[in-house]
Amino acid sequence: QVQLQQSGPELVKPGASVKISCKASGYSFTSYYIHWVKQRPGQGLEWIGWIFPGSGNTKYNEKFKGKATLTADTSSSTAYMQLSSLTSEDSAVYFCARSGIYYRYNDYWGQGTTLTVSS
Amino acid sequence: DIQMTQSPASLSVSVGETVTITCRASENIYSNLAWYQQKQGKSPQLLVYAATNLADGVPSRFSGSGSGTQYSLKINSLQSEDFGSYYCQHFWGTPYTFGGGTKLEIK
Repeated sequence: QVQLQQSGPELVKPGASVKISCKASGYSFTSYYIHWVKQRPGQGLEWIGWIFPGSGNTKYNEKFKGKATLTADTSSSTAYMQLSSLTSEDSAVYFCARSGIYYRYNDYWGQGTTLTVSS
Repeated sequence: DIQMTQSPASLSVSVGETVTITCRASENIYSNLAWYQQKQGKSPQLLVYAATNLADGVPSRFSGSGSGTQYSLKINSLQSEDFGSYYCQHFWGTPYTFGGGTKLEIK
């Protein structure tokens, strides 16, 4: 069965960087997109961008350019999102989610990774 | 960027009632719309894709409709497990923005 397993909660200091992982299983990792979504406490959902692991191509929400960097390791079927120059505004739950080549809606989601930025 | 205006922001309803949630896009999105349900502390789950198609395993009391800029999610005969938050999301060009969400609560 399709699963997206995300890394555990992170507590990091302002100004630092963090790398969150999303390990895929149960499907061909290189044939589907991985999207990343942000959700601040008590708030709605915000689309960060996608990566296509088969080619490494990426597409970002302009708002997150310079903040988020999406990569993928096909040998371990793992997608990563690095967030840099962290501030309290980056404290949120981050989800990875899958979509297909011919569709962009997200049919499977990871469980979410909670990031807390605090000194 | 395409803006998605979702309403209402919250709704207090009883089990057995019927509810309708709407999303209005700032421009035509040609039915490139999905609806998700999110329970507290959990990840979103796909309910409807391409505006009108139920995702696998979604009960038939859920239905999606709409075209152009106006879309709706209808839930007939609400069950206790239907309470939570609902979001629409468009897929007509990036960024794939979400609606602001609708929180469905028990009356």
